[in-house]
Amino acid sequence: EDKVVQSPLSLVVHEGDTVTLNCSYEVTNFRSLLWYKQEKKAPTFLFMLTSSGIEKKSGRLSSILDKKELFSILNITATQTGDSAVYLCAMEYGNKLVFGAGTILRVKS
Amino acid sequence: DGGITQSPKYLFRKEGQNVTLSCEQNLNHDAMYWYRQDPGQGLRLIYYSQIVNDFQKGDIAEGYSVSREKKESFPLTVTSAQKNPTAFYLCASHTDSNEKLFFGSGTQLSVL
Repeated sequence: EDKVVQSPLSLVVHEGDTVTLNCSYEVTNFRSLLWYKQEKKAPTFLFMLTSSGIEKKSGRLSSILDKKELFSILNITATQTGDSAVYLCAMEYGNKLVFGAGTILRVKS
Repeated sequence: DGGITQSPKYLFRKEGQNVTLSCEQNLNHDAMYWYRQDPGQGLRLIYYSQIVNDFQKGDIAEGYSVSREKKESFPLTVTSAQKNPTAFYLCASHTDSNEKLFFGSGTQLSVL
């Protein structure tokens, strides 16, 4: 059965810390991996990864995909309280997106 | 502004009642999706539609129904057969060539 597993399920850090969120997958016919940030209601798009080993970067956030080992990581450096959210990883295959359970990140000031 | 509009934001359902969640998009997207989110869980796919007048079941379609009579609209009906409907429901859309999903702001459904 295709699935997406995120870890840790929740994380509490202090401002300025660096965090790494993990996403592993078992999906056939992989097309892309996407990361979303969900604060209150609708998720907002962060990254889409299709090629292995190529880092995508946006400000303090970066992400990379390893298609051989079937995982992706999302790094957030110099965390701020505004980074507190649920981070969702999703795999696209065929016509569907399958989401992981998410990682709840709380950044304390 | 282009986007996806879901309504209502909050909805209450009585026992045995069918309720319909609205999803409208003006992005000219072909594909539309309905997801359900329960606390501590990721988004689970209920139904999706690639073109008008066609839709497919997702992973948890039982107790739900949809229609796609217009490109812009993809309403979801939560029927009385859905015994545990309390959840947050998200509608999303994307074009064929763009794999990034655009999400609506969601509907929180609760049972009275």
